[in-house]
Amino acid sequence: EADIYQTPRYLVIGTGKKITLECSQTMGHDKMYWYQQDPGMELHLIHYSYGVNSTEKGDLSSESTVSRIRTEHFPLTLESARPSHTSQYLCASSEGGLPGPQHFGDGTRLSIL
Amino acid sequence: AQTVTQSQPEMSVQEAETVTLSCTYDTSESDYYLFWYKQPPSRQMILVIRQEAYKQQNATENRFSVNFQKAAKSFSLKISDSQLGDAAMYFCAYRKEGAQKLVFGQGTRLTINP
Repeated sequence: EADIYQTPRYLVIGTGKKITLECSQTMGHDKMYWYQQDPGMELHLIHYSYGVNSTEKGDLSSESTVSRIRTEHFPLTLESARPSHTSQYLCASSEGGLPGPQHFGDGTRLSIL
Repeated sequence: AQTVTQSQPEMSVQEAETVTLSCTYDTSESDYYLFWYKQPPSRQMILVIRQEAYKQQNATENRFSVNFQKAAKSFSLKISDSQLGDAAMYFCAYRKEGAQKLVFGQGTRLTINP
């Protein structure tokens, strides 16, 4: 099993709340990713990071922000949650030399009421 | 823009049989990578197999193999000796050389019948 962890697994919360989705990996991977996935649909990249202090926005526009202060930690934050943010968020990582994410977390299913 | 198409929303196969999942993609790039990911119900997505476009030889990983047809822009996944644990959503994905963005297909839900 991959050593990449996401918390919480499920979150139901009201509109306007600030939310932070946690993602940690213990493999020392430089590259980390956040994907958004609606049920039964494809994944869309919303953020990625090449390493510490490096973050980039992905393909899908997202109101979320990320930070990468430590190699192992890549949290995603929504400053003010809205119902349109309801989705599953998947964190992933890969070794520096490889072309795509290798390991995914279990995901966080987020529901905004 | 690159697109990835999985034309089979659902597939089923008898245990121990062979099944092929289809994937086509559209790109004007010559250097790129193709992937198949497996997402079991309520479990982590994992990388099943990866193919570099510059390699003519089809990638294989145990019971999983691909049929990569670069000219036809086709990248099918063959699962031999299907097992109950193979039941999952399977996503085909594309990434061009030098980019971080993975373009995913819509997924194929594979059911294994005992």
